[in-house]
Amino acid sequence: SQQGEEDPQALSIQEGENATMNCSYKTSINNLQWYRQNSGRGLVHLILIRSNEREKHSGRLRVTLDTSKKSSSLLITASRAADTASYFCATGGHFGNEKLTFGTGTRLTIIP
Amino acid sequence: DVKVTQSSRYLVKRTGEKVFLECVQDMDHENMFWYRQDPGLGLRLIYFSYDVKMKEKGDIPEGYSVSREKKERFSLILESASTNQTSMYLCASSLFRDTDTYEQYFGPGTRLTVT
Repeated sequence: SQQGEEDPQALSIQEGENATMNCSYKTSINNLQWYRQNSGRGLVHLILIRSNEREKHSGRLRVTLDTSKKSSSLLITASRAADTASYFCATGGHFGNEKLTFGTGTRLTIIP
Repeated sequence: DVKVTQSSRYLVKRTGEKVFLECVQDMDHENMFWYRQDPGLGLRLIYFSYDVKMKEKGDIPEGYSVSREKKERFSLILESASTNQTSMYLCASSLFRDTDTYEQYFGPGTRLTVT
């Protein structure tokens, strides 16, 4: 079953603008991760935020986590054409459970 | 850098054939995973392994089996391929830590077409 649901399913913005994607999940989590997938390729890990953290930054990426609302957002600032990709959130379960449950993804298109 | 390789990028097989998808990782990771990815459904876990010869079913194991004889290699087997197994197959690996979930490292994927 799908744990995470990304919103929107697709997003197109102009280069230089900020892109925000949201993820909602259903059960309690240990951590939440964001991955990027370029067309037809494997996924690449971007950032991990633990359940006791509220915000995390990595370069142009900013992730927030609200466990009370069971939601997370990924903000990409000053977007570039190379950011065009699909973005997935994935939730990690309880301690000792190594499995991740992935959402269906947001397709981001950056228009030059 | 962690490297996860998959034996084929593209594969075309006939219905009823036995299909082997191979995955190798070079960072001594304990955990390995097989997913399939279909449009609108995201990634779904087929099987995972947390040690040599150990395996656990994921969300959609029907029609598949796995083999892990060596730590670095995890094979996905389609016993009798069917057209509904046409999909992108992704392998991943991660470190094991019993108090946390680590990031996963993915291979480039194998696009399998069953005709």
